[in-house]
Amino acid sequence: SQTIHQWPATLVQPVGSPLSLECTVEGTSNPNLYWYRQAAGRGLQLLFYSVGIGQISSEVPQNLSASRPQDRQFILSSKKLLLSDSGFYLCAWRWNQGAEAFFGQGTRLTVV
Amino acid sequence: KQEVTQIPAALSVPEGENLVLNCSFTDSAIYNLQWFRQDPGKGLTSLLLIQSSQREQTSGRLNASLDKSSGRSTLYIAASQPGDSATYLCAVIGIRATDSWGKLQFGAGTQVVVTP
Repeated sequence: SQTIHQWPATLVQPVGSPLSLECTVEGTSNPNLYWYRQAAGRGLQLLFYSVGIGQISSEVPQNLSASRPQDRQFILSSKKLLLSDSGFYLCAWRWNQGAEAFFGQGTRLTVV
Repeated sequence: KQEVTQIPAALSVPEGENLVLNCSFTDSAIYNLQWFRQDPGKGLTSLLLIQSSQREQTSGRLNASLDKSSGRSTLYIAASQPGDSATYLCAVIGIRATDSWGKLQFGAGTQVVVTP
């Protein structure tokens, strides 16, 4: 069976510090991978998606970047965090465009 | 642009009552619609996926219907239990070229409280 892991679960970082959140999927190959952000009182916003190694697309301009160094690994990064980067970050995967999506347990990021 | 709306925003029912959660979307050009459950501080758990060619899906006490032509989906939860308390989210995947490789377009969710 397939599982998705995200870490860390919670993170408190000062403004201006770097960020690295990791997501790994097990039990599948060549998944479509996604990073979403859920801000307090707001819906989920798609940040990045990837259909293959090294293939990253960004949905919205922002202070974040994403990378996919391996088939089942998706990393969300920032060089310098802003207060507005605080939120709940969720990684998701699916087989293809029309398939069921599965989410990780999320990372709560607080920028102070 | 696809817009997904969930009404009501919050719902409180006594244990044993049936729950009816509504989801509407503006663009009927969709691959599928998916219902999720989110517990406080947790990720999303997939409940049901309805393909655009289907009318409904069932899993245990859960039943979801889809009327693509009218842009509506309804999630029914029979005989609610306190453990059903959570936020329920619906999301659609569009098929238009602008719908970015399976991007889920989410509603804002319905927060459900089932009281003992």
